[in-house]
Amino acid sequence: DTGVSQDPRHKITKRGQNVTFRCDPISEHNRLYWYRQTLGQGPEFLTYFQNEAQLEKSRLLSDRFSAERPKGSFSTLEIQRTEQGDSAMYLCASSLLTSGAPGTQYFGPGTRLTVL
Amino acid sequence: DQQVKQNSPSLSVQEGRISILNCDYTNSMFDYFLWYKKYPAEGPTFLISISSIKDKNEDGRFTVFLNKSAKHLSLHIVPSQPGDSAVYFCAASVEDSGTYKYIFGTGTRLKVLA
Repeated sequence: DTGVSQDPRHKITKRGQNVTFRCDPISEHNRLYWYRQTLGQGPEFLTYFQNEAQLEKSRLLSDRFSAERPKGSFSTLEIQRTEQGDSAMYLCASSLLTSGAPGTQYFGPGTRLTVL
Repeated sequence: DQQVKQNSPSLSVQEGRISILNCDYTNSMFDYFLWYKKYPAEGPTFLISISSIKDKNEDGRFTVFLNKSAKHLSLHIVPSQPGDSAVYFCAASVEDSGTYKYIFGTGTRLKVLA
């Protein structure tokens, strides 16, 4: 396992369409995070999972966004009825939570979404 | 409310000299800090971290300094190399009811001139 992978790397869609992104974390990592990054900004937290449980969702995550992590392995992020404001880089990161320490997050290459 | 701030959007340094990237934070509960490097079209790459119980951590050419009283951390790169040209993000983590969340700054674009 060489790191976090994301698929697709690029996605162009028309406004109103649904899109789904996939993230495969580092295999032994129990935490998985989704971030969104727009130009000139740092990554903004969207949601995270510990194993298969989704423990927190940001207020940035509207009802059109849903994330899953079945079986605590890979995760998917779906955006329904996309809007032009959803255009961004979507980053996935994973970490290993150990007792008393947050663990270093390792990022995937990201999925760049363009909504026309 | 930007809890983690990188006030310099860009920095240019001559090859071989020291690069100093700065980061300020407002939440005194942050207990773990990280620096990431990001090339275009790639995800951020972890560089170095520091726990709030330390004031310095060193890894090769990279050293991170933490001044808790000033709520300030800095990343020193010595000597700077052209391959270090990238956007650098600092991030801070706080534990809240068993949840660790990372807050990122807006980044500083470093350009190392050959």
